Amino acid sequence: KAGVTQTPRYLIKTRGQQVTLSCSPISGHRSVSWYQQTPGQGLQFLFEYFSETQRNKGNFPGRFSGRQFSNSRSEMNVSTLELGDSALYLCASSLAGTDGHGYTFGSGTRLTVV
Amino acid sequence: GIQVEQSPPDLILQEGANSTLRCNFSDSVNNLQWFHQNPWGQLINLFYIPSGTKQNGRLSATTVATERYSLLYISSSQTTDSGVYFCAVEIMEYGNKLVFGAGTILRVKS
Repeated sequence: KAGVTQTPRYLIKTRGQQVTLSCSPISGHRSVSWYQQTPGQGLQFLFEYFSETQRNKGNFPGRFSGRQFSNSRSEMNVSTLELGDSALYLCASSLAGTDGHGYTFGSGTRLTVV
Repeated sequence: GIQVEQSPPDLILQEGANSTLRCNFSDSVNNLQWFHQNPWGQLINLFYIPSGTKQNGRLSATTVATERYSLLYISSSQTTDSGVYFCAVEIMEYGNKLVFGAGTILRVKS
């Protein structure tokens, strides 16, 4: 079966702009979560969506937002970009812990803010 | 919140050697996964192992949930094993999320 698809793979944006990243989960997976990876902070949880509802949110400013559509695809948006938002953004899908296989991650979107 | 600690932070091996990576966590967890991050950044799922022992080829993992630790064994290492290994524990409160350790950077030399 197809894996988790993230688009785009690479992105360069200017400070102050906004960006939207997309994630298509594995077919049948209803939980989608997002993570930010930076050299200084490691892998940090951003938020989780399940059946179009945000169930959990990490400790990030309100500039970071997301949504999930009825087909389980998810988008995350970062507004008013700052240099510190440069990171690898990873999306994961799961059956919400019921399938015994855990989380499957996409290839990520590498965002550079200049 | 829960703390996840991995050791060692760095490891250099000669090809063919064996190694053990450790993951300690500070509280009870719903499950634990081991990942290998490839050079392109993707996290590859190695094991989903909330408890017990699992093996997959040259890799095996053991989680002792009551003592809050997990071990990842790599036998007969190959250069393709190089990369960063992460353990992550799942927290289920107000939804699900993974809390990651800082990772172990493994370099296998030929």
